[in-house]
Amino acid sequence: DAGVTQSPTHLIKTRGQQVTLRCSPKSGHDTVSWYQQALGQGPQFIFQYYEEEERQRGNFPDRFSGHQFPNYSSELNVNALWLGDSALYLCASSLILYNEQFFGPGTRLTVL
Amino acid sequence: GESVGLHLPTLSVQEGDNSIINCAYSNSASDYFIWYKQESGKGPQFIIDIRSNMDKRQGQRVTVLLNKTVKHLSLQIAATQPGDSAVYFCAGNARLNSGGSNYKLTFGKGTLLTVNP
Repeated sequence: DAGVTQSPTHLIKTRGQQVTLRCSPKSGHDTVSWYQQALGQGPQFIFQYYEEEERQRGNFPDRFSGHQFPNYSSELNVNALWLGDSALYLCASSLILYNEQFFGPGTRLTVL
Repeated sequence: GESVGLHLPTLSVQEGDNSIINCAYSNSASDYFIWYKQESGKGPQFIIDIRSNMDKRQGQRVTVLLNKTVKHLSLQIAATQPGDSAVYFCAGNARLNSGGSNYKLTFGKGTLLTVNP
């Protein structure tokens, strides 16, 4: 049983560019949450998707957007990249009504 | 809002010793508190959780203690092994909306545990 998978593993972009990160949830899970983890910090909640809708957003600007597909996979899009967007982006999946979230290995984004 | 923080950024122990990692939280909105282990290059891995109406829960080699009076959480690891070396995060797990069934995690900064052989 595959766990949460994310792609790509690493990504290098320049300021002003746009990026799309992808996540496939653990088999049977229907909810996907995205987190940003800066170096030396704990993950920060970006938003959560369930039933193809954004359910709640953390303290992140509209440059961060997402999508959930009918197969429950999800994308995170970031527009107009800043240097400060450099971080590890984590996807976590869960099953609605259950509190345990399973994390993927993350995508390391570097903005130059 | 909810915030979760840690007392110590680093902890170094000898193999076989017991480890205690502490965490403080400022808001009681969480239904659960969870400890995660994160190894280099990997995502956080669930270790153990505790409901907010409990004060102790034991797992395999790990025990979590919750003191709601002082808003303090601790993770005890028995007979610490080199494979336990990682960053440990506590996180509060609260419902996204009142009466809703989706949960949101709020993480602290993390404690780096180093186990010396």
